[in-house]
Amino acid sequence: QLQLQQTGVALVRPAETLSLTCALSGGSLSGDDWSWIRQTPEKGLEWIGEISQRGGPYYTPSLSGRVTVVLDTRNSEFSLSLKSVTAADTGVYFCARGLRVEGVTPPRTGQLDVWGQGTIVTV
Amino acid sequence: QLTQSPSSLSASVGDRVFITCRASQGVNRNLAWYQQKPGKAPNLLIYASSTLQGGVPSRFSGSGSGTDFTLTITDLHPEDSATYYCHHLNGYPRTFGQGTKVEI
Repeated sequence: QLQLQQTGVALVRPAETLSLTCALSGGSLSGDDWSWIRQTPEKGLEWIGEISQRGGPYYTPSLSGRVTVVLDTRNSEFSLSLKSVTAADTGVYFCARGLRVEGVTPPRTGQLDVWGQGTIVTV
Repeated sequence: QLTQSPSSLSASVGDRVFITCRASQGVNRNLAWYQQKPGKAPNLLIYASSTLQGGVPSRFSGSGSGTDFTLTITDLHPEDSATYYCHHLNGYPRTFGQGTKVEI
């Protein structure tokens, strides 16, 4: 059973870089999509970005230029970096798996079926 | 962009409720619904517009394609009190609806 464990600094100073890591247990990075999502009172759930071994990364336009998502296949984890943070970046950050399965009806096209526990980040 | 309505609703145990999600451009059937309770990560309920995720009670159902989608909860249970989000997976960037809070 796949589980995602998030680690990272919860308190970040303005203008510095937010860094979070999502480690897999009970599964591998192969075949699926790996996403970061955040939640703020102002915007609700906000999709940040996604990466897979097939392609990406893809980012939401409002954060593109500040955000980096990286896969680390050797350590079965993926990471988020968000630079030049401001108070508006305060929120709960989640990692999640987007399941991909072809050859079934309907195919799995990246629905977020496994989530990390969430990290409350304060800037 | 995904627009949900209503933003909140209040209903009674046993009621049927409808939550709609409208996309600013067509997303085929590449739409999922999630349930989120306070302090928890969202939980996948429905994918591909109408397919129930394993383990989700059959009182949840979804419909729609293109730009208009509906999540229906029949026979509302007390534990259905939560916020519900739609999410499209038709290209990038992905987006979520703003959420619908259901109070029992």
